[in-house]
Amino acid sequence: KQEVTQIPAALSVPEGENLVLNCSFTDSAIYNLQWFRQDPGKGLTSLLLIQSSQREQTSGRLNASLDKSSGRSTLYIAASQPGDSATYLCALDSGGGADGLTFGKGTHLIIQP
Amino acid sequence: DTAVSQTPKYLVTQMGNDKSIKCEQNLGHDTMYWYKQDSKKFLKIMFSYNNKELIINETVPNRFSPKSPDKAHLNLHINSLELGDSAVYFCASSGGAQGQPQHFGDGTRLSIL
Repeated sequence: KQEVTQIPAALSVPEGENLVLNCSFTDSAIYNLQWFRQDPGKGLTSLLLIQSSQREQTSGRLNASLDKSSGRSTLYIAASQPGDSATYLCALDSGGGADGLTFGKGTHLIIQP
Repeated sequence: DTAVSQTPKYLVTQMGNDKSIKCEQNLGHDTMYWYKQDSKKFLKIMFSYNNKELIINETVPNRFSPKSPDKAHLNLHINSLELGDSAVYFCASSGGAQGQPQHFGDGTRLSIL
């Protein structure tokens, strides 16, 4: 059974800093890994999806990496802004879409102005 | 245009009632899902539905039943609501093939009195 852990659970940093969010998983037999952002009272916004054959994906100030052999992924946020404040969720597809995603409990990020 | 839409956004009802939540996607996706986010913000898959094949998470009580009138809709019906059913329920969809990202609705916040 896949288990996903996100560290840290919460993080508060000053604006402008670069930061890294971590995600680890127990079963390396995955199809893909997806990073989401959730704002309070809102749904999930997909940020990046990394296929199992890929090592990283980039979108603007965001870069996500995947190391299947070690069961780890990181989300790097460059030059953080107050608008980046949200909960960031890591989710794995271990069943090719049929079984849904397995989520971590998220990292609650606060960027101080 | 909203890709995945759920109604209602909020649902407040009494214990023992029966209620339904509706979900529609206009992305042409083949697979739809229901997730539950509990009071600790942990997201867990409840159901996935693809071409009339239903995959049920074994932990979901049989008071919960998904109903799909067509490929673009997957409604969630809940019988005999209990206090523990209070949560945010998210609908999602994906292309279904391996490696396709999932797109989420904004959620339905269900409160049981």
